[in-house]
Amino acid sequence: DIVMTQSPDSLAVSLGERATISCKSSQSVLYRSDNKNYLAWFQQKPGQPPKLLLYWASTRDSGVPDRFSGSGSGTDFTLTITSLQAEDVAVYYCQQYYSTPITFGQGTRLEI
Amino acid sequence: EVRLVESGGGLVQPGRSLRLSCAASGFSFSDYAMHWVRQPPGKGLEWVSGVSWNSRTVAYGASVKGRFTISRDNAKNSLYLEMNNLRPEDMAVYYCAKDMANNFLSGSFDYWGQGMLVIVSS
Repeated sequence: DIVMTQSPDSLAVSLGERATISCKSSQSVLYRSDNKNYLAWFQQKPGQPPKLLLYWASTRDSGVPDRFSGSGSGTDFTLTITSLQAEDVAVYYCQQYYSTPITFGQGTRLEI
Repeated sequence: EVRLVESGGGLVQPGRSLRLSCAASGFSFSDYAMHWVRQPPGKGLEWVSGVSWNSRTVAYGASVKGRFTISRDNAKNSLYLEMNNLRPEDMAVYYCAKDMANNFLSGSFDYWGQGMLVIVSS
């Protein structure tokens, strides 16, 4: 199984500042044949289902503000939120869909 | 508008069975793979199972393999999860999720239901 490890577990950032969350996979999720990283990021607010933010490591889903961006390749990935807004308070998860079982990171709680 | 609505959850005793359903609307259900993901109270996300658009490919997480069965009925736009021999550690909110592609491992999950709580307790 591919183990996804996020850091930090929790993070406090001031409004308007930048938040950075790391996700490392125990093996590469870069598929050589299509040169895509099979890595997604989700945001989950209390009492709500997860919401897809980014897929292929850096492609924003429809309607996701451009202050959310993703980077990285292979085994090391980063979610960056620039100019943090109050509505960005949530738990963020990375997910690999390179192989089954599909696995998620343990989550990073982002607070203001 | 894409909608996924789970039903069938509730309180069940250890060792008993339960069947979850997910009613889909707002998209061409038969064109996409579907998944079940669960979340124990206060904890993280765990992928449970996935099924391809035509049901030819299914996969399970290790913790449920042999006890849970995923299925779909494209004529009814519905996804199911048959859960047998339930254990206290199966207690969680179960989400139905739509894949971005017709088979899994080709995209992530772009729509989720609101979730259904399953409580396993005597």
